[in-house]
Amino acid sequence: GENVEQHPSTLSVQEGDSAVIKCTYSDSASNYFPWYKQELGKGPQLIIDIRSNVGEKKDQRIAVTLNKTAKHFSLHITETQPEDSAVYFCAASEASYDKVIFGPGTSLSVIP
Amino acid sequence: DAGVTQSPTHLIKTRGQQVTLRCSPKSGHDTVSWYQQALGQGPQFIFQYYEEEERQRGNFPDRFSGHQFPNYSSELNVNALLLGDSALYLCASTSGTGGVNEKLFFGSGTQLSVL
Repeated sequence: GENVEQHPSTLSVQEGDSAVIKCTYSDSASNYFPWYKQELGKGPQLIIDIRSNVGEKKDQRIAVTLNKTAKHFSLHITETQPEDSAVYFCAASEASYDKVIFGPGTSLSVIP
Repeated sequence: DAGVTQSPTHLIKTRGQQVTLRCSPKSGHDTVSWYQQALGQGPQFIFQYYEEEERQRGNFPDRFSGHQFPNYSSELNVNALLLGDSALYLCASTSGTGGVNEKLFFGSGTQLSVL
């Protein structure tokens, strides 16, 4: 079955610096790659997603890249702020309405 | 517009008991999925309901069952609770027919503790 790996497991950056989280997936049938942010006591919140026919997508300070050949995808957060501190999950699925396989998560801390 | 709502928010049960968790999908959504999130881990897919039928199932035992009602709301039932069932149970909704702009939205979850 599909397996999603994620690195690093913890990440600490100074406010204003950039943060990068990298993921790999195993199932070639995966076509949809969402990223979720989870704050303490809350459910995962979708922050950005990318589909297999696109190599890069940007939304303000957040960008995702996808290399389908290498089965790699990454999240980039620029100009980090303390409110960016949370656990981030990458995920993969065949379609947006399909079951989603999550990575183990990255705990991001932004130090003021 | 209310998002995905789950009840109760917290629950404490004893080993061997049975539990029912409830979920109302986001307005306009007809597909409900359930996930289990153990402490410090990513959510794991339990099953998905569409048109009142179980459409997909993850690697969970038959003790985990569900139901979807005509108004698209859903229940997750867990029988013969084990200590290892302690986790955050998340409900997520989307449109079953997909579409380029369709997304998966999560509720805040039910924290289940089995003693």
